[in-house]
Amino acid sequence: QLQLQESGPGLVKPSETLSLTCSVSGGSIRSSGYYWGWIRQPPGKGLEWIGSLYYGGSTYYNPSLKSRVTISVDTSRNQFSLKLSSVTAADTAVYYCARRPSGVGFDYWGQGTLVTVSS
Amino acid sequence: QSVLTQPPSASGTPGQRVTISCSGSSSNIGSNTVNWYQQLAGTAPKLLFYSVNQRPSGVPDRFSGSKSGTSASLAISGLQSEDEADYYCAAWDDSLNGWVFGGGTKLTVL
Repeated sequence: QLQLQESGPGLVKPSETLSLTCSVSGGSIRSSGYYWGWIRQPPGKGLEWIGSLYYGGSTYYNPSLKSRVTISVDTSRNQFSLKLSSVTAADTAVYYCARRPSGVGFDYWGQGTLVTVSS
Repeated sequence: QSVLTQPPSASGTPGQRVTISCSGSSSNIGSNTVNWYQQLAGTAPKLLFYSVNQRPSGVPDRFSGSKSGTSASLAISGLQSEDEADYYCAAWDDSLNGWVFGGGTKLTVL
């Protein structure tokens, strides 16, 4: 059974960089036909796609966040990561990592991790 | 302001049929498939439908999806108390070159 687990600091100061890692178990991040993505949800609000990557290929970012976002993969650890720079209070949210088979929706999700931006 | 428009709330009594709408445009729903997610309180979203009306294994056939033009709908028949959740539609947007979500609909089972 595939499992995804987010990890990283729960508190980030304004103007700093938010860094999260998603550890994948029960499957290989190098498997063809799968995209790996990040989605966030501010408290009490809806879902917002941050970006996705395809192993060995492309990355896709939300245009509204593109200038601040980097998603990368570490195949040796079967992990992928999110970096969001110059954060503000508006970036406070539960951050989810998820898998998306090509042609399908996001079918496996991590449990989510709350990141609060505050001094 | 979400790119896809959903009603903020919906409700029904046990056994009823409820429909949740999702309105988009030619660059998203009009030209791509629609996915639906169910989010129970305090949990991660769960894929309910992909490609408009394809159900992942384990999703009851009480749930059905449809699409017409630039709008999509999720229907739940035989409403049960465990269906109380937030529901989100999503689609790829060709203009934005990214995934867009609806604002979510909170379904209350009365």
